[in-house]
Amino acid sequence: QSVLTQTPSASGAPGQRVTISCSGSSSNVGSNTVTWYRQLPGTAPKLLIYSNNQRPSGVPDRFSGSKSGPSASLAISGLQSDDEAHYYCAAWDESLNGWVFGGGTLLTVL
Amino acid sequence: EVQLVESGGGLIQPGGSLRLSCAASGFTFGSYAMTWVRQAPGKGLEWVSAISTSGASTYYSESVKGRFTVSRDNSKNTLDLQINNLRAEDTAVYYCARVASMTLSMGWFDPWGQGTLVTVSS
Repeated sequence: QSVLTQTPSASGAPGQRVTISCSGSSSNVGSNTVTWYRQLPGTAPKLLIYSNNQRPSGVPDRFSGSKSGPSASLAISGLQSDDEAHYYCAAWDESLNGWVFGGGTLLTVL
Repeated sequence: EVQLVESGGGLIQPGGSLRLSCAASGFTFGSYAMTWVRQAPGKGLEWVSAISTSGASTYYSESVKGRFTVSRDNSKNTLDLQINNLRAEDTAVYYCARVASMTLSMGWFDPWGQGTLVTVSS
């Protein structure tokens, strides 16, 4: 059972917009910044969004992050077939004195 | 190019010990906190441990506290994870990653190494 809650799967057609949610608590998402990682099958995770809504260089603006209280979300617009991947949220947890991850969301492009 | 390369994984019997290493290059290693994250087969990501820039402060998840020890050698640009009393549930790919941000609570992991597989089985 992950400390941060993500819906296990999400899907959308090419060109559509999809949102992936991440629910935490006041000790993690509610009080610290949220990071999103993307993992393609058989590869290491890669940074996608940091500090709630910042994109590293090379990440297209189709990807956006937001946070409100103990919840955060990742939005992907203009879905493309190569967006199919697992997406994980993470945040520092003050009570656990360490990072916690969501269980991951598998995005399928129909 | 910033690069992290893990090594040391393998097949180990329950109760055994293993030392994982992560070789860093392409950046000033001693200026960054570092972390270990693992992923059991077919499962999600689980944060394991972190260490401050100097090595003076270390952090562990509850699931590994007391059995895992993280350390670093800034002169050799290496990060280590000593794993003792291995259990079947420790079977996973272990990734090292650089922690960006001066404040751990605001930090993120970038980049990640390619991972090293630890399999605990008799």
